[in-house]
Amino acid sequence: EAGVAQSPRYKIIEKRQSVAFWCNPISGHATLYWYQQILGQGPKLLIQFQNNGVVDDSQLPKDRFSAERLKGVDSTLKIQPAKLEDSAVYLCASSLADGSETQYFGPGTRLLVL
Amino acid sequence: KQEVTQIPAALSVPEGENLVLNCSFTDSAIYNLQWFRQDPGKGLTSLLLIQSSQREQTSGRLNASLDKSSGRSTLYIAASQPGDSATYLCAYQTGANNLFFGTGTRLTVIP
Repeated sequence: EAGVAQSPRYKIIEKRQSVAFWCNPISGHATLYWYQQILGQGPKLLIQFQNNGVVDDSQLPKDRFSAERLKGVDSTLKIQPAKLEDSAVYLCASSLADGSETQYFGPGTRLLVL
Repeated sequence: KQEVTQIPAALSVPEGENLVLNCSFTDSAIYNLQWFRQDPGKGLTSLLLIQSSQREQTSGRLNASLDKSSGRSTLYIAASQPGDSATYLCAYQTGANNLFFGTGTRLTVIP
């Protein structure tokens, strides 16, 4: 079974630029999550989708971050404009049903904002 | 406020030793608690999941316990191997399905 795919794996941008990350969850997984993991910290949830609807985006900085999951499969996370403090690993995860089961994580996208 | 503390932050042990990683949390309304492993440059892998009604779970050389009343969980690794070197994260889930993570314990097993 293929795992959660993410691209790109690494991205270096300058502050105030824009960047987008892509995630393809495990086939059949209805729930998709985006997490931000700053160096030395645990992952923090940014947004959770159930199919193509948003379940929780309370921790998403909506003035600069946006995410969508068109057709309830792939998802993109965008940052515009980026700040230095956005440097982190962005992890995508998926789970089968309502999130109460095991979440499967992708390898992450490591973002460095200069 | 949800807080998850993991002690120690880093640990080095010689190969073959048994070890215990600690996790404490402040939220009493947890749905389950999980232990994850994170290797450098890779995502997280779920190791063990303990439902709130359970006391422990075992998988191979790993045993995780949960004491909801005291807000503590431990991960016991028996007969450690160099391949166990990684960062171990604990996280709990509430009814809202969100995972709240600790900061992790970085384990190094020395051959």
